Amino acid sequence: QSVLTQPPSASGTPGQRVTISCSGSSSNIGSNTVNWYQQLPGTAPKLLIYTNNRRPSGVPDRFSGSKSGTSASLAVSGLQSEDEADYYCASRDDSLNGLVLFGGGTKLTVL
Amino acid sequence: QVQLQQSGPGLVKPSQTLSLTCTVSGGSISSDGYYWTWIRHHPAKGLEWIGYIFYSGSTFYNPSLKSRITISLDRSKNQFSLRLNSVTAADTAVYYCATHTLTPEPHEFDIWGHGTLVTVSS
Repeated sequence: QSVLTQPPSASGTPGQRVTISCSGSSSNIGSNTVNWYQQLPGTAPKLLIYTNNRRPSGVPDRFSGSKSGTSASLAVSGLQSEDEADYYCASRDDSLNGLVLFGGGTKLTVL
Repeated sequence: QVQLQQSGPGLVKPSQTLSLTCTVSGGSISSDGYYWTWIRHHPAKGLEWIGYIFYSGSTFYNPSLKSRITISLDRSKNQFSLRLNSVTAADTAVYYCATHTLTPEPHEFDIWGHGTLVTVSS
């Protein structure tokens, strides 16, 4: 069981807005930045959101991130079929010598 | 643009040592402030951070693997490496090297290697 808690699955229809949550604690999300990764089958994870809400160059603005207290969220608006993938949140934990934590992952299905 | 190229065997026998190398191009592993990271992906369990090495050579390991891991730098070859000893079937996973170039935060991995499937089997 991951220290960062994500729902195992999420779904939506094309065009919808879907939100994926990531819950942690004061020693990780509460004290450090949160990142989100998208992983398509058979490929390396791709950084989608960094520093809580920033998008790397090339990531569509349909993807947005937010953080409040010890929780974070990834929102995908205007859902498209190619968004079907696994999504992971990540942060560091100050109580564990800066250990990097990943959430358990959320499988996003586009219906 | 920094790129990472992984190399190493895809099959390791139980109780032996897994060894992987990540060659850095487009940048130097001695660049101030950089952390060089190993991560693995278990299909059923998701992503797991193995550890990273700072440009200075300081290492930070996942406590659950710490007794079995060594991450090192080879400055002459601009490479960093992972050694995981006493492997079992539970170590079967896709292993990735990764690093950060957008911010100083070591966990904001924007650059990834292609991944190496390592199977532990006799």
